[in-house]
Amino acid sequence: KQEVTQIPAALSVPEGENLVLNCSFTDSAIYNLQWFRQDPGKGLTSLLLIQSSQREQTSGRLNASLDKSSGRSTLYIAASQPGDSATYLCAVSADRGSTLGRLYFGRGTQLTVWP
Amino acid sequence: NAGVTQTPKFQVLKTGQSMTLQCAQDMNHEYMSWYRQDPGMGLRLIHYSVGAGITDQGEVPNGYNVSRSTTEDFPLRLLSAAPSQTSVYFCASSLIFLPGLNSPLHFGNGTRLTVT
Repeated sequence: KQEVTQIPAALSVPEGENLVLNCSFTDSAIYNLQWFRQDPGKGLTSLLLIQSSQREQTSGRLNASLDKSSGRSTLYIAASQPGDSATYLCAVSADRGSTLGRLYFGRGTQLTVWP
Repeated sequence: NAGVTQTPKFQVLKTGQSMTLQCAQDMNHEYMSWYRQDPGMGLRLIHYSVGAGITDQGEVPNGYNVSRSTTEDFPLRLLSAAPSQTSVYFCASSLIFLPGLNSPLHFGNGTRLTVT
């Protein structure tokens, strides 16, 4: 069964820092990987989606990379702001068999950016 | 554009009661799904549907039923509530079954359920 791990579980940084969130997965047979943001009491918002054939995706100050063979992804946030404070989750989509299309989520990294 | 709408936002049930969590989307999405989110467990897939009339089980389907009579609606039924079903439930949808480059997963704001 696919296992998704996110490190660190929590991160507290001052405003302006560049930071990296890590995601690893045990089964490299994935269709894609998504990064989500979750604010307290809210649902998840999709930030970036990387297809298994791609190496990275960028959106504004966010850059996500994917190394499928090693089972790793990183989310890079440039020039962090207090508004970036949230929980960030990664999820991988299985690409075969009875689990085709299912998403497996990590437990998230809780980010706090202080002014 | 409402997106994915879940009702109710909060619910308290007694053990053994049944109820239905509602989910509706107005984006003409084929794929709809239900997740539960528990502290320290991450999100786990309960049931999903790839189109009207088609449903399938996820990782943790026991104690839950679903149906998909229309493209827009995907209700989740708790048959006989148990304290272990205390959780936050999220409905999510995407345009196609396999979320592609332009078809990320859209989430509702969740239903917080407590079973006493």
